[in-house]
Amino acid sequence: VQVLESGGGLVQPGGSLRLSCAASGFTFNSYAMSWVRQAPGKGLEWVSGISGPGGDTYYADSVKGRFIISRDNSKNTVYLQMRSLRADDTAVYYCARETATYYGPEDYWGQGTLVTVSS
Amino acid sequence: EIVLTQSPGTLSLSPGDGATLSCRASQTINYNYLAWYQQKPGQAPRLLIYGVSSRATGIPDRFSGSGSGTDFTLTISRLEPEDFAVYYCQQYGGSQAFGPGTKVDIK
Repeated sequence: VQVLESGGGLVQPGGSLRLSCAASGFTFNSYAMSWVRQAPGKGLEWVSGISGPGGDTYYADSVKGRFIISRDNSKNTVYLQMRSLRADDTAVYYCARETATYYGPEDYWGQGTLVTVSS
Repeated sequence: EIVLTQSPGTLSLSPGDGATLSCRASQTINYNYLAWYQQKPGQAPRLLIYGVSSRATGIPDRFSGSGSGTDFTLTISRLEPEDFAVYYCQQYGGSQAFGPGTKVDIK
């Protein structure tokens, strides 16, 4: 099982960024996927999750209305579209596989991609 | 939204000691959807325990979880050098939440 994030970088406040997460080594559409972030020197914060088929999505209050999670099961890829970015969105963003199709903890994690929101 | 608190914030122990980490939820966690993770500097988190007390694949049996309702515990029976890290509890099931973490460092 492998999970590989990409798309991080430096973006100005108010800007947008799309993160991608390519997965391999398992039946992708059978597993929910999540994004979890970690600000520098801080703890883990769950951001968003999506069910295996893609019909159910969940968001933390801190990103609701600004971030959109989606997945393309034909490409084994999950995305996080981030808009109206703020300084406090600066973090390493981890993509992770959940242990079940709908609900589960995260058992496989990528190494993370750094998003820096700064002018 | 469930809020998780963890105590203590830091635990200073020696190799061979036992460790008891606490996690408290602001409301009852349904279906035992409570997990524990270990994170070392510069690494992604590692799933240790799910469903309150089930060990994830490859996790040694010195790690155990217990609890119910709103109060949960991670116990490390005898600390190995590689166990010094930060530990997070997590509520999952649709929306999720992590606790603030407990750092276990070397005394």
